[in-house]
Amino acid sequence: AQSVTQLDSHVSVSEGTPVLLRCNYSSSYSPSLFWYVQHPNKGLQLLLKYTSAATLVKGINGFEAEFKKSETSFHLTKPSAHMSDAAEYFCVVSDPGSARQLTFGSGTQLTVLP
Amino acid sequence: DTAVSQTPKYLVTQMGNDKSIKCEQNLGHDTMYWYKQDSKKFLKIMFSYNNKELIINETVPNRFSPKSPDKAHLNLHINSLELGDSAVYFCASSQMSSRGAFFGQGTRLTVV
Repeated sequence: AQSVTQLDSHVSVSEGTPVLLRCNYSSSYSPSLFWYVQHPNKGLQLLLKYTSAATLVKGINGFEAEFKKSETSFHLTKPSAHMSDAAEYFCVVSDPGSARQLTFGSGTQLTVLP
Repeated sequence: DTAVSQTPKYLVTQMGNDKSIKCEQNLGHDTMYWYKQDSKKFLKIMFSYNNKELIINETVPNRFSPKSPDKAHLNLHINSLELGDSAVYFCASSQMSSRGAFFGQGTRLTVV
């Protein structure tokens, strides 16, 4: 069985300061992990993915995530927040035993203050 | 070209009606999904089809029936709509789930 826990439902940062969105996962296998972003009234866009290659993954718009197996974490970071980063972020897990199913976390709403 | 397109984008209908949402992908993927996003933004898988065959059927009312005429299409038909069916429905496709999925723009269904 696989599951994802996003530790913060809301995160608020000032423009130009670092962003940290936390995600812990549970999987019976070696999972694939993803971060998706959803802007208001929009669809879901893939930010980045981890698929058992490098543990530090770079994505679009300056976002990064680090896979830490010992901590079962896959936190999303960005050095400097921009107003356009304000959105809902979802951490997602998929493992080989899940019949191609993507399991979503509950989401983290990121607010960027001017 | 839109990779995963779903229609309509908005759907307002009365309780008891039957409605369909269409989804098409032009990525050549072999797996397609329907997800439901509730008012709290939580996304839950409803169905998954691989090469036109149903491989995931989560606990959803049997009023919901997916239909996959070919690998590029996965439509969702809903009978006897209820107020609780109001949500945003997302179609998605992937070649392998380990590579992630591409999502459509969503269909906001409102049942009145």
